[in-house]
Amino acid sequence: DAGVTQSPTHLIKTRGQQVTLRCSPKSGHDTVSWYQQALGQGPQFIFQYYEEEERQRGNFPDRFSGHQFPNYSSELNVNALLLGDSALYLCASSEDTAYEQYFGPGTRLTVT
Amino acid sequence: AQSVTQLDSQVPVFEEAPVELRCNYSSSVSVYLFWYVQYPNQGLQLLLKYLSGSTLVKGINGFEAEFNKSQTSFHLRKPSVHISDTAEYFCAVNRISGGYNKLIFGAGTRLAVHP
Repeated sequence: DAGVTQSPTHLIKTRGQQVTLRCSPKSGHDTVSWYQQALGQGPQFIFQYYEEEERQRGNFPDRFSGHQFPNYSSELNVNALLLGDSALYLCASSEDTAYEQYFGPGTRLTVT
Repeated sequence: AQSVTQLDSQVPVFEEAPVELRCNYSSSVSVYLFWYVQYPNQGLQLLLKYLSGSTLVKGINGFEAEFNKSQTSFHLRKPSVHISDTAEYFCAVNRISGGYNKLIFGAGTRLAVHP
């Protein structure tokens, strides 16, 4: 049983560019959450998707957007990249009624 | 608002010694509590969780944690650590807002096990 998978593993972008990160949830999970983990800090909640809709959002600007597909996989898009967007982006999946979330290995984004 | 405080940013310990990683939370409602471990250059792995029932919960790799409602704490313990336990440990609270849930994390505790 495959766990949560994310792609790509690493990404280097230039300030002002746009980036798309991808996530496939654990089998049987229908809810996907995205977190940003800056160096030396704990993960911060970005948003959560369920039934192809964003249903909760953290304190992140509109430059951060997402999408969930019918197969429950998800994308995170970040526009107009800033140096401060450099971080590890983590995807977590869960069953809608469950409280625990299972994380993928993350995508390391570096903005230069 | 809910928050999580991990009281130690770093904990050095010798191999086979016991260890306790401290976590306090603030919340005005019932909470669900978790410990995750993060090995270098990897994602987060769920160590253990408290949802209800017994306040002493056991997890993987010999770790356990005790939920103390009166002290709003959820400290992680292991009686004898191994070199392989060297990692970053995160305490998290599940916040239920508007019927949907999200995790609020502490800043992490770096456990360094020395031979």
